[in-house]
Amino acid sequence: GAVVSQHPSWVICKSGTSVKIECRSLDFQATTMFWYRQFPKQSLMLMATSNEGSKATYEQGVEKDKFLINHASLTLSTLTVTSAHPEDSSFYICSASARGTNHGRNQPQHFGDGTRLSIL
Amino acid sequence: KQEVTQIPAALSVPEGENLVLNCSFTDSAIYNLQWFRQDPGKGLTSLLLIQSSQREQTSGRLNASLDKSSGRSTLYIAASQPGDSATYLCAVGQGGSEKLVFGKGTKLTVNP
Repeated sequence: GAVVSQHPSWVICKSGTSVKIECRSLDFQATTMFWYRQFPKQSLMLMATSNEGSKATYEQGVEKDKFLINHASLTLSTLTVTSAHPEDSSFYICSASARGTNHGRNQPQHFGDGTRLSIL
Repeated sequence: KQEVTQIPAALSVPEGENLVLNCSFTDSAIYNLQWFRQDPGKGLTSLLLIQSSQREQTSGRLNASLDKSSGRSTLYIAASQPGDSATYLCAVGQGGSEKLVFGKGTKLTVNP
């Protein structure tokens, strides 16, 4: 099955630090990757959608200068939380969907295991 | 704006019981609906995907139904086991954009 690897799984760092999270599709080409944020006991909230080779599309209310997304290849997307502060502490999850010919239907998303970010 | 609601928020049942989890959505113009399982501190595992033209999908002890016109889906788990304990998330796919809108989930505990 399609495997998505997310790294690191847990990060603890000081306020003001920038943190990079990687999302890799291991056995398929991911034309689209999604970044979500999840607060405790809350649903996943989509932050941005990134397509390989183009700029990410951010959801309303998400600061693009705060959350930098790069999708430079068909197997890797990165999310950098710049100058992180305690309010950025959360669980970040990526997903990837494959280039496909599913008769125009939405391709299923395959999720990574998430990254727990704790800012002190 | 699409909103997805899951009821109940938490459910505790004895092992062996059959159970139903509910999901409702406000905008019936969906592309598909997906049920996921999330273990504590982990990512999501896809359980079942129902396209908008389908009414149900089955995988092992799991059966998901979709009534698009009424904006509802149910996930039926037969003969529940302690290993089924997890949070179950419902998500609807919006046509054309590939975006998923998630509910808050139902936390299921199956007691031995």
